[in-house]
Amino acid sequence: DGGITQSPKYLFRKEGQNVTLSCEQNLNHDAMYWYRQDPGQGLRLIYYSQIVNDFQKGDIAEGYSVSREKKESFPLTVTSAQKNPTAFYLCASSSGTSGNTIYFGEGSWLTVV
Amino acid sequence: QKEVEQNSGPLSVPEGAIASLNCTYSDRGSQSFFWYRQYSGKSPELIMSIYSNGDKEDGRFTAQLNKASQYVSLLIRDSQPSDSATYLCAVSSGSARQLTFGSGTQLTVLP
Repeated sequence: DGGITQSPKYLFRKEGQNVTLSCEQNLNHDAMYWYRQDPGQGLRLIYYSQIVNDFQKGDIAEGYSVSREKKESFPLTVTSAQKNPTAFYLCASSSGTSGNTIYFGEGSWLTVV
Repeated sequence: QKEVEQNSGPLSVPEGAIASLNCTYSDRGSQSFFWYRQYSGKSPELIMSIYSNGDKEDGRFTAQLNKASQYVSLLIRDSQPSDSATYLCAVSSGSARQLTFGSGTQLTVLP
């Protein structure tokens, strides 16, 4: 089935640790995105990538890093520099063309313990 | 900073009524407009997109766009309890057409 797969669904991080969230899509979409959602809030853009080997910071990139080595994959690393990482993380993709409908994966819950 | 604002909730309507959700945006260069539905603990699901001024209908849902007023709305007719969710307004702009989201309006449809 076509879609966006995020893993793990639930993740616990200790203070000072880096963790990586996986995002894979088989929709042949050029553009991929990472959003963060805090309880009762909307989504905020962390990073986005329009093409392989290229990505740009979103509104809240500090403390996060990404890579785009393959069209299908856009992993997000939450580094120890991110002081308040507990949130719901959503990966998304789009064709990047006019209209640009964005589709989301099922999300990953990250909790700091 | 691009901003998207939604009418404050929560909003409660009786079953069968019309629910009206509103959204304003600050970037006049915005090109595309979307409504997503998000159930608690789940990822957003696209329910409507609109790109030009006027109304767009899809089943019980109608999206309305007024670019001069920088305003987009969603009407849900014959509301059902299954429509109870948070509705997110999203606006696309910029070279990558990335989405900026509002904070959402929580809708409860009372049986």
